[in-house]
Amino acid sequence: AQSVTQLDSHVSVSEGTPVLLRCNYSSSYSPSLFWYVQHPNKGLQLLLKYTSAATLVKGINGFEAEFKKSETSFHLTKPSAHMSDAAEYFCVVSGGGAGNNRKLIWGLGTSLAVNP
Amino acid sequence: DSGVTQTPKHLITATGQRVTLRCSPRSGDLSVYWYQQSLDQGLQFLIQYYNGEERAKGNILERFSAQQFPDLHSELNLSSLELGDSALYFCASSVSGTNNEQFFGPGTRLTVL
Repeated sequence: AQSVTQLDSHVSVSEGTPVLLRCNYSSSYSPSLFWYVQHPNKGLQLLLKYTSAATLVKGINGFEAEFKKSETSFHLTKPSAHMSDAAEYFCVVSGGGAGNNRKLIWGLGTSLAVNP
Repeated sequence: DSGVTQTPKHLITATGQRVTLRCSPRSGDLSVYWYQQSLDQGLQFLIQYYNGEERAKGNILERFSAQQFPDLHSELNLSSLELGDSALYFCASSVSGTNNEQFFGPGTRLTVL
């Protein structure tokens, strides 16, 4: 069965320090993996996605994530946090099934707080 | 602006009632997804349609149903509403299937009194 676990429900960092949001997944198939961000009172937006190309994926706003098959992880990082990064982040895995029938499995989210 | 529109923006109704939420996908997108987001349950995938046909089902209650019309817009019908159905309902669309980026609408906030 496919699953995704976001290891931290809340992360707090100081502005200018690195951000690490952790995500582990389980999939019987070669997964597609995504990170989405939701700013307060707004809809969701794709940050980045991995679909079996380069294992280090660069996204918007300076975020990147590395697909590590041996560790079944897809952690999201940013070298230097900005106040505007405060938001909810969701890790998503495209799970079992074929082609367009693949289900998306959403993590429970990690709330990132950035302190001045 | 993602290009996905949802109406209405806010909806207030009473328990036992039925409501319909509407979603228009981005031009050219064939897949539509519905999600429910509440404080206690987080973001829950409800259902996906692709080119008019149901493709995947998530945690959708039997009281809820959806459809995608020939012009690709979609409606989510919620009936016999309960207090616990109060939530933000998002619609998203993608070009084709679940390997593609989903573009989310602004959501419909449903309050059941």
